[in-house]
Amino acid sequence: GAVVSQHPSWVICKSGTSVKIECRSLDFQATTMFWYRQFPKQSLMLMATSNEGSKATYEQGVEKDKFLINHASLTLSTLTVTSAHPEDSSFYICSARVWDRQETQYFGPGTRLLVL
Amino acid sequence: KNEVEQSPQNLTAQEGEFITINCSYSVGISALHWLQQHPGGGIVSLFMLSSGKKKHGRLIATINIQEKHSSLHITASHPRDSAVYICAVRNQGAQKLVFGQGTRLTINP
Repeated sequence: GAVVSQHPSWVICKSGTSVKIECRSLDFQATTMFWYRQFPKQSLMLMATSNEGSKATYEQGVEKDKFLINHASLTLSTLTVTSAHPEDSSFYICSARVWDRQETQYFGPGTRLLVL
Repeated sequence: KNEVEQSPQNLTAQEGEFITINCSYSVGISALHWLQQHPGGGIVSLFMLSSGKKKHGRLIATINIQEKHSSLHITASHPRDSAVYICAVRNQGAQKLVFGQGTRLTINP
């Protein structure tokens, strides 16, 4: 089946640094990628929707200058958490929609970010 | 805005029991997804439904469009089925999914 990978799976960083998370669709082309964050024991919260070649659409309350999303190709999207602070510590999950099956959506394994 | 409600929120059962998790939504949809999230965090897409019923191994998912309701069944449950099961719907014409709060399932040996 289709696979979505994320890198890194774990990152620990100091407050004030920037962290980049990569999301790749390994065996299919994804026109749309979604970025979610999840706090412990809570459901996924959509941060932004990213369409290849265009600017991401951010959900209300998500700072676009804080969470930079780039979707440069049909197989790669990146999320950069700029000047990370402890409150940004969370589980970040990407998801990709398959080009030719618009209802099919595959999820990455997630990236756990801890900001000290 | 679609409201997605799952029940129960928590479910503990013995190995071998038949499990049912329910999902109700308030607005017409184009598709409903059942997802599984293990303690490590990774999410697996189990089913995508727009009508009827689907079966994969010991898992069965049904949807009733008129009643705006879906169920996920697990037959002959096993401890490895312990996970959080999430129902998510896509509204007609929308790109994003709306998630239920999840059902935490624990299967004891």
